[in-house]
Amino acid sequence: GAGVSQSPSNKVTEKGKDVELRCDPISGHTALYWYRQSLGQGLEFLIYFQGNSAPDKSGLPSDRFSAERTGGSVSTLTIQRTQQEDSAVYLCASSLEIGEQYFGPGTRLTVT
Amino acid sequence: GEDVEQSLFLSVREGDSSVINCTYTDSSSTYLYWYKQEPGAGLQLLTYIFSNMDMKQDQRLTVLLNKKDKHLSLRIADTQTGDSAIYFCAEKGNNDMRFGAGTRLTVKP
Repeated sequence: GAGVSQSPSNKVTEKGKDVELRCDPISGHTALYWYRQSLGQGLEFLIYFQGNSAPDKSGLPSDRFSAERTGGSVSTLTIQRTQQEDSAVYLCASSLEIGEQYFGPGTRLTVT
Repeated sequence: GEDVEQSLFLSVREGDSSVINCTYTDSSSTYLYWYKQEPGAGLQLLTYIFSNMDMKQDQRLTVLLNKKDKHLSLRIADTQTGDSAIYFCAEKGNNDMRFGAGTRLTVKP
């Protein structure tokens, strides 16, 4: 079956522009996570959606970051007024409630 | 410590065993995971162990868990060039997963 997909796979943007990253989780998975992986670093938790509950936004690094999950499926991560330090690979994962997470291939964001 | 810790690099020869070590943070973590990330790809769940187990073996992979020391290891027997990747240790928290920085395994022919 289809795994977690993310788009775009690569995004280059100018400093100050807004970007939207998309995640399509595995069908039927109720939990969805966004992580950020900076060069040489581990994964940094950003935000977590579980069913219809209010998302856990505790990992978002600033108010320039926001995320939505429409209809309990597709999620978009929006970064406003991008900065160079936002350059990273953004990974999405989904799982059945709280369980093993399956990761997408990531979106590599480069802010110039 | 507050971070999941792993050594950053490991180099082995093809056919040797690889052992990747990890120290995690929370003794109450119920699941401990190993993920593999190949170049240009996302993370792939390799194996996991439940906290009431000491060892789990899956073909060439052996996971050892020492809860007292909060130490987790992954042993890859008969390491192949295709095993070259970054291996991430992770522990499951309430609402998130805490990951180490990853160990880059290089397998030399």
